[in-house]
Amino acid sequence: GIQVEQSPPDLILQEGANSTLRCNFSDSVNNLQWFHQNPWGQLINLFYIPSGTKQNGRLSATTVATERYSLLYISSSQTTDSGVYFCAVEGNYGQNFVFGPGTRLSVLP
Amino acid sequence: EPEVTQTPSHQVTQMGQEVILRCVPISNHLYFYWYRQILGQKVEFLVSFYNNEISEKSEIFDDQFSVERPDGSNFTLKIRSTKLEDSAMYFCARGGMIETQYFGPGTRLLVL
Repeated sequence: GIQVEQSPPDLILQEGANSTLRCNFSDSVNNLQWFHQNPWGQLINLFYIPSGTKQNGRLSATTVATERYSLLYISSSQTTDSGVYFCAVEGNYGQNFVFGPGTRLSVLP
Repeated sequence: EPEVTQTPSHQVTQMGQEVILRCVPISNHLYFYWYRQILGQKVEFLVSFYNNEISEKSEIFDDQFSVERPDGSNFTLKIRSTKLEDSAMYFCARGGMIETQYFGPGTRLLVL
């Protein structure tokens, strides 16, 4: 099945810093989403982005489907950005998501 | 307004007991999914449900698990005889092929 990798596994930032999280996947995908898991365990949908670039406030994402990677950019980070960021992909032959292992982000005041 | 609600938010049960986790999508959708996340690990797919039938299931989804949509709206995951290793967060999601999947807030299950 499709494999999903994320880097870095852990990231510690000072408030106000910018960061880039990466997701690599091993095969063509129909769907790719970025999620933020908050400290209460809820999965918050950030972007539906199988290709192209999207922006939502301080967050933006780019997926280059032909090269099988996606990037999540966080600018001017805030302590509330802390949590685990997951990339999840849906391959061409299934409807379910395969999640990456996540990047744990800690933003310090 | 949440897209998907789940009940209960937390459940504690004794090993060997049956549990039923419930999911209520706000709007009508054909595709539903259950995922689980063992503490500290990544989210894993359990089963997808399309048009009132199981569409796809993972190796984790063995005979102790079942899903149904008993009344046409609620979507349930039943674990027949819980084991310690079933302790996890269980997420319901709704969506479809080539569209955004929305996840519920999860049910945290603890098996003692």
